[in-house]
Amino acid sequence: DQQVKQNSPSLSVQEGRISILNCDYTNSMFDYFLWYKKYPAEGPTFLISISSIKDKNEDGRFTVFLNKSAKHLSLHIVPSQPGDSAVYFCAAKDTGRRALTFGSGTRLQVQP
Amino acid sequence: GAGVSQSPSNKVTEKGKDVELRCDPISGHTALYWYRQSLGQGLEFLIYFQGNSAPDKSGLPSDRFSAERTGGSVSTLTIQRTQQEDSAVYLCASSLGNSNEQFFGPGTRLTVL
Repeated sequence: DQQVKQNSPSLSVQEGRISILNCDYTNSMFDYFLWYKKYPAEGPTFLISISSIKDKNEDGRFTVFLNKSAKHLSLHIVPSQPGDSAVYFCAAKDTGRRALTFGSGTRLQVQP
Repeated sequence: GAGVSQSPSNKVTEKGKDVELRCDPISGHTALYWYRQSLGQGLEFLIYFQGNSAPDKSGLPSDRFSAERTGGSVSTLTIQRTQQEDSAVYLCASSLGNSNEQFFGPGTRLTVL
């Protein structure tokens, strides 16, 4: 069973607009969440994270929102740029473990 | 300093052969992780090292898979008697101390014919 789900395999947005990537999870023991960006033939690159005690974390154009009651998090990219085109993975860490559980990814395409 | 490096970048092998994949973590990172990504899937955790010991091996899919880490640095993932379902990109990551942020290498693409 997938504990971390990214239900949208792909998303296309216009340059300058907002990109919203969504992630749902089922394990209430997750205490830390991360977003990674992946370009082809490269390893995932850490983007932004949030602890379960917070509901928002912002870093430049990237903001992550966490809704614990809904077991839902989202990544907002504003404004979107063509260089943001990549596959975005949501990941979560279980309390007491170091392993990350990943979603299946969302391919974002930002159109110039 | 340099990031996580992995070798080889690509490996093609025949079913039944053994393969070894190598990971060089970021210098000073005490924690090291192996994941794999099958086609169209997310990353799947395999094993975690803290120093030279592996407190979490829960993701290893079968006893054909093993890993070791020596000197608190380089790690080797060994797959014995490879099967076609072992075909995937094998990714290594490292992290500093108890940090939750893991830094990934470029991966080794393994193809079992």
